[in-house]
Amino acid sequence: GEDVEQSLFLSVREGDSSVINCTYTDSSSTYLYWYKQEPGAGLQLLTYIFSNMDMKQDQRLTVLLNKKDKHLSLRIADTQTGDSAIYFCAERPTTSGTYKYIFGTGTRLKVLA
Amino acid sequence: DADVTQTPRNRITKTGKRIMLECSQTKGHDRMYWYRQDPGLGLRLIYYSFDVKDINKGEISDGYSVSRQAQAKFSLSLESAIPNQTALYFCATSDSRGSNQPQHFGDGTRLSIL
Repeated sequence: GEDVEQSLFLSVREGDSSVINCTYTDSSSTYLYWYKQEPGAGLQLLTYIFSNMDMKQDQRLTVLLNKKDKHLSLRIADTQTGDSAIYFCAERPTTSGTYKYIFGTGTRLKVLA
Repeated sequence: DADVTQTPRNRITKTGKRIMLECSQTKGHDRMYWYRQDPGLGLRLIYYSFDVKDINKGEISDGYSVSRQAQAKFSLSLESAIPNQTALYFCATSDSRGSNQPQHFGDGTRLSIL
């Protein structure tokens, strides 16, 4: 079946790098997204990667994809207190009729000053 | 995301009441979705719509109904609210014309059923 899994919590010190991990189970070609949710707000799209890519970098964010292990990670360099939020991994299998987005349960990142 | 607006932002009501949550968007997207978020469960899809008058059930549609009378508006109704419908509700949109088609979310409606 389709499932996206994430660890629930991560705590890092300000200035360190954060790595948030996600595993997915769908075997078809797929888009994978990272969203950030701050308190009282909706999910904000951070970045995405298609399953034919290995890596994508966007300023402080680096996404790594291991297709063999179906493992996705989001690295935040020089983590700041403003990065404290819940981070959601989501996938959209391209063979699902494109309507289906499967979300993980979210990883709560706490940045310690 | 200011382009996807949900009203109200917060609502407290009693069991058995009918409630409508509204969503409007200025992004020009054709597809709209309603999710609920519960702690530890992530987002679960209630209903989705690919175009005006098109309605499809998601994984947890029981107890809910929706209406898509215009491309920019998608409303969610709880016909007779019950306490286990207490949750954070999100509306989202996407554009079927793009290849990556990310969803764009409103800021949510926090609904409490007493």
